[in-house]
Order: sequence, then C-alpha cells, then structure tokens
Amino acid sequence: NAGVMQNPRHLVRRRGQEARLRCSPMKGHSHVYWYRQLPEEGLKFMVYLQKENIIDESGMPKERFSAEFPKEGPSILRIQQVVRGDSAAYFCASSPSDRVSIDTQYFGPGTRLTVL
Amino acid sequence: KQEVTQIPAALSVPEGENLVLNCSFTDSAIYNLQWFRQDPGKGLTSLLLIQSSQREQTSGRLNASLDKSSGRSTLYIAASQPGDSATYLCAVTPNDYKLSFGAGTTVTVRA
Repeated sequence: NAGVMQNPRHLVRRRGQEARLRCSPMKGHSHVYWYRQLPEEGLKFMVYLQKENIIDESGMPKERFSAEFPKEGPSILRIQQVVRGDSAAYFCASSPSDRVSIDTQYFGPGTRLTVL
Repeated sequence: KQEVTQIPAALSVPEGENLVLNCSFTDSAIYNLQWFRQDPGKGLTSLLLIQSSQREQTSGRLNASLDKSSGRSTLYIAASQPGDSATYLCAVTPNDYKLSFGAGTTVTVRA
C-alpha cells in the first residue's frame, strides 16, 4: 500500500506567480489535511477536505490560498500571487476517517516551496 | 488554544548515550499524543502514539510516557546511534482532527 504522495517535492516560484501543490492520499483514505511548516516553527493546520467538500479551512489564509479535493484525482493546494512569506514546507496527510480517537493521520514527504 | 512546547530545541550527544526529549502542552483535553521523526527534506514518520488513557508506549529502543493531567510527555531513546540523528516532533490530537505540533527537537548523535 503506497503511502501519501506529494508532488512536486521542491517548487521554486517568483513573486506573483502561482503555486500548485498536489497530494494523493493513501488508498482507501478519503480524508485529506494540509499543514504548513514555516522555518523554525511547528506544523500548522491549514485545511481539511473530504472528497468534493471543504470541511474546515480555518487555518488557511483568507486571500490567495485555496484547496480542493475533486471526485477524481489528487487534492490540490493552490497559492496565487505568491510572496516570499509563503516559502515553507507544505505537508499533506490522509486518514480513513475523522475519528481521531481511532485513526491516525499519515503524512506525505512534503513540498518545499521557495519563493524568489 | 492548544500550545505545544518542546525542550530543548537542539541536543547533541555521543553515541551510546540515552536521549530524553520533552514535550509539554497547555490543554489536557486530548485524544492522543504522537511522536514523529522528521529527517531533513523528508516527511514525517510516526514513531509512537499514546492514547489519552495510556501512560506509556514502547517500541524497541523508544519509550514514550504521557502525563495528561500535567500536560507532559517524554520520549526516551536508549543507547543512541548516529542513525537516530533527526528532528523529533511531538503532536497532540485535541477534540478534533487538527493536530497541534511542537517546533521539534533536533538531535545529533556523534559517532
């Protein structure tokens, strides 16, 4: 059973460009979470999605950031008009359910975004 | 708001020495606590998960304790090896799915 897959692993963008980060959850997992790790900081929750639904986007900046998890294909985290402060590692996690008392979240290798 | 703190931020020990990593959290209403390992440029590997009803978990040379009432967890790594060099993250699962992470302890084991 392949783990959570993320691509690209490294992404370089110039200020003002768009960044698209992809996440394929583990087989059988329909719950996807995105976290951001800024330099020298812990991972911070951004958004929680189920297939075709955004359940909780309370941790995501209101502007320029969006996420989706379509019926077919990977989950996408999109950052429009990137700024240097967006440089971070973005991790995706998946779980078979949102029953936190039972199911843990499995993390992907992350996408390291560098904004020049 | 849950805050997770890890002390020390960095640790360097000679090979063979035991490691003690500390994690504290402010809100004791948690479902579980996890310890992760993060290698440079890599993802997170779950090492141990302790349910809130448990006091400790063991896996090989690793042992993690949990004192929920005082908001503390400790990860012990016995007989450290250079391959143990990594950043260790503590994360608590509150009443929902939003894991709260500490900033991590970066461990260097000198050969």
